[in-house]
Amino acid sequence: DIQMTQSPSSLSASVGDRVTITCQASQDISNYLNWYQQKPGKAPKLLIYDASNLETGVPSRFSGSGSGTDFTFTISSLQPEDIATYYCQQYDNLPPRLTFGGGTKVEIK
Amino acid sequence: EVQLVESGGGLVQPGGSLRLSCAASGFTVSSNYMSWVRQAPGKGLEWVSVIYSGGSTYYADSVKGRFTISRDNSKNTLYLQMNSLRAEDTAVYYCARGIQHLDYWGQGTLVTVSS
Repeated sequence: DIQMTQSPSSLSASVGDRVTITCQASQDISNYLNWYQQKPGKAPKLLIYDASNLETGVPSRFSGSGSGTDFTFTISSLQPEDIATYYCQQYDNLPPRLTFGGGTKVEIK
Repeated sequence: EVQLVESGGGLVQPGGSLRLSCAASGFTVSSNYMSWVRQAPGKGLEWVSVIYSGGSTYYADSVKGRFTISRDNSKNTLYLQMNSLRAEDTAVYYCARGIQHLDYWGQGTLVTVSS
């Protein structure tokens, strides 16, 4: 099974700061990597799909990059409404299954 | 507008059964891959199951043999039949559209397995 290692598990940053979260896969997953935002008591929301594609309606301060085993998620200028937990997720098709990273809780300093 | 609404959660004793429903609107369930994902209290996300548009089904090892995913095309509704429930199945269960990535999610329904 493919393992996803997401780091850090939590971070505290100031409004306007650049925030970076990384996700490492235990084997090559090409670009089958997605990023979600989950606010307390709410369902996750897809932000980035296929490593670097911004989902429709998602602000452009969110971005993703990477391929193979190493991936990065960036918030270019942290806003108060970005307080949430962020998860990476990979897709494996043989057999079909999804694996999520452990999550990164983002707080305002 | 795409909408997913789960129902059927509740308190059940260990070894018991429960069936979750996910009513969809704004798209056709049978034409899409549909997944279930769960989240134990205070924990991360765990994929549970998927049903393909063609009807093939797949499960996480943790629920294989106990859970069954299905759909009713006439009701545009997805289901998750959960049998032989264990304490570790306690979680909020979400239905979501997709498998490679999950672009729409329901609000979730809480399942508590406890005596």
